[in-house]
Amino acid sequence: GIQVEQSPPDLILQEGANSTLRCNFSDSVNNLQWFHQNPWGQLINLFYIPSGTKQNGRLSATTVATERYSLLYISSSQTTDSGVYFCAVDPITQGGSEKLVFGKGTKLTVNP
Amino acid sequence: GAVVSQHPSRVICKSGTSVKIECRSLDFQATTMFWYRQFPKQSLMLMATSNEGSKATYEQGVEKDKFLINHASLTLSTLTVTSAHPEDSSFYICSARGLGVYEQYFGPGTRLTVT
Repeated sequence: GIQVEQSPPDLILQEGANSTLRCNFSDSVNNLQWFHQNPWGQLINLFYIPSGTKQNGRLSATTVATERYSLLYISSSQTTDSGVYFCAVDPITQGGSEKLVFGKGTKLTVNP
Repeated sequence: GAVVSQHPSRVICKSGTSVKIECRSLDFQATTMFWYRQFPKQSLMLMATSNEGSKATYEQGVEKDKFLINHASLTLSTLTVTSAHPEDSSFYICSARGLGVYEQYFGPGTRLTVT
């Protein structure tokens, strides 16, 4: 099956710093989503981005589908950005099943 | 928009009993709902996919007789953990997607502890 690799696994920042999280996937995808899992376990939708670039406030994401990677940029980080960031994909080889395969996540800690 | 709720948020039960978890889409009709399981400090693993009015499709290795899924309406899916054992203790999360929408929206999760 498809492999979804996220890097780095852990990231510690000072408040105000910028960061880039990466998601590599081993096969073509129909869907790619970025999520933030907060300390209480809730997954919050950040981006639906199978290709192209999107921005939402301090966050932006870029997916280069032909090269099978996606990047999540966090600027001017805040302590509330802490948590685990997941990339999840729906591989084309699943034939439209719409099931998401999750990476292992990047744990982000933003210190005041 | 696109709010998904789960109930209960936390449940403790004794070994051998059954527990039902509800997943509701509050402001859209969910043609498909998904159930995931997450162990501490690990990623989400898909357990099953359910479509309204039809039988759930279970992932390899998931016991369908142990994890009963019912998707009775376009806004409600339930997961029943039957004859629960301590190894079933985990964080269970549902997600839902609407017709013609590729994004999945997730509920807040249910933390199950079996004693």
